[in-house]
Amino acid sequence: DAMVIQNPRYQVTQFGKPVTLSCSQTLNHNVMYWYQQKSSQAPKLLFHYYDKDFNNEADTPDNFQSRRPNTSFCFLDIRSPGLGDAAMYLCATSRGRLALDEQYFGPGTRLTVT
Amino acid sequence: AQSVTQLDSHVSVSEGTPVLLRCNYSSSYSPSLFWYVQHPNKGLQLLLKYTSAATLVKGINGFEAEFKKSETSFHLTKPSAHMSDAAEYFCVVTVNSGNTPLVFGKGTRLSVIA
Repeated sequence: DAMVIQNPRYQVTQFGKPVTLSCSQTLNHNVMYWYQQKSSQAPKLLFHYYDKDFNNEADTPDNFQSRRPNTSFCFLDIRSPGLGDAAMYLCATSRGRLALDEQYFGPGTRLTVT
Repeated sequence: AQSVTQLDSHVSVSEGTPVLLRCNYSSSYSPSLFWYVQHPNKGLQLLLKYTSAATLVKGINGFEAEFKKSETSFHLTKPSAHMSDAAEYFCVVTVNSGNTPLVFGKGTRLSVIA
């Protein structure tokens, strides 16, 4: 019954070694989001896809990239992870981008950088 | 621009007593307001939302919130706390139209004492 699935749940990577986090959804939603949540902080939106249209937040570092090969999947690529990138990464989906369109969150991937 | 302030970073209640989590918002336009709950190492779950209909909103697990425009508040309440309510709670604001992203408060950690 899982609707938004994130793999892996826990990821350990080395400083500077590229890493990819995965998100898939069974809801057939148009919009997919990636959030970064550091310890004891609120989630921070990195970017989102509306269908194939990529929307980057102004303060998202260039080190973070995303791909959406089809409706169901979306990937977060961190090209050169630093220690400051250790965080929980949350994927969410919604049917549209209006306030009425509820966002459904996955369980998150906790990234550790050594 | 939108912003949200959660007035307490940590609230502790005894099981069976009422819960009050406070949230004030600021919005240039007609806001939509949400409360999300996050249990440890889990994704966010929508508790309830206000999108310009009834000002008293009922959500899941016995929670409710009242939109008070004159006080710019959207406090979350529950008559009787349960141990399973212990979690992090986020108040979130956005606007009713367009693709404005969700703006999260910093969160309130609710502890429930047996």
